[in-house]
Amino acid sequence: DTAVSQTPKYLVTQMGNDKSIKCEQNLGHDTMYWYKQDSKKFLKIMFSYNNKELIINETVPNRFSPKSPDKAHLNLHINSLELGDSAVYFCASSQDYYPRDSSYEQYFGPGTRLTVT
Amino acid sequence: AQKVTQAQTEISVVEKEDVTLDCVYETRDTTYYLFWYKQPPSGELVFLIRRNSFDEQNEISGRYSWNFQKSTSSFNFTITASQVVDSAVYFCALIGPYNTDKLIFGTGTRLQVFP
Repeated sequence: DTAVSQTPKYLVTQMGNDKSIKCEQNLGHDTMYWYKQDSKKFLKIMFSYNNKELIINETVPNRFSPKSPDKAHLNLHINSLELGDSAVYFCASSQDYYPRDSSYEQYFGPGTRLTVT
Repeated sequence: AQKVTQAQTEISVVEKEDVTLDCVYETRDTTYYLFWYKQPPSGELVFLIRRNSFDEQNEISGRYSWNFQKSTSSFNFTITASQVVDSAVYFCALIGPYNTDKLIFGTGTRLQVFP
């Protein structure tokens, strides 16, 4: 019954490694997002995809690359991990494409806590 | 540029007290949408409400109520008769009408409700 799921929930890795976080939604939504929440709880969007097409690409280092194999999945690959990448990463999805659509809201996954040592 | 300000970093109350969480926003869009999310200690983000800029009606849902005032660019959230389970970080957020608009979050208010 999980709407938006992320794996893993916790990820501890060393600097310089490459890692991936997977996100899947079973809501039939067309739009998916990645957010980063830093240690001060500040939430900021990184990417959004609609039907596997990149819509929003915020100012994120190119070590971060989203990949959408189908519209139910949006994975986040991070190369050459740095200490500053430590954060909680949230995946989200929305049924509607435009915020002006009457039922637009973003459903968030449980988050993945990434710790880089 | 869009901005959301939650000036209250942390609020502590005792159970059954009423508490109001403030949210002030800035935007140049004439059409925009405001949200509140709850992040309990378990970490997930829970949607609470969405409000359209053209609908200034206040809303009540059980112990929760929201006061939207365009004149002061505020969208405040009140919890009546707070309970320990209300302890969480609450985020106010803003987005414009286009698919390229980003959901802008405030810095959050941590609410602690003590028994």
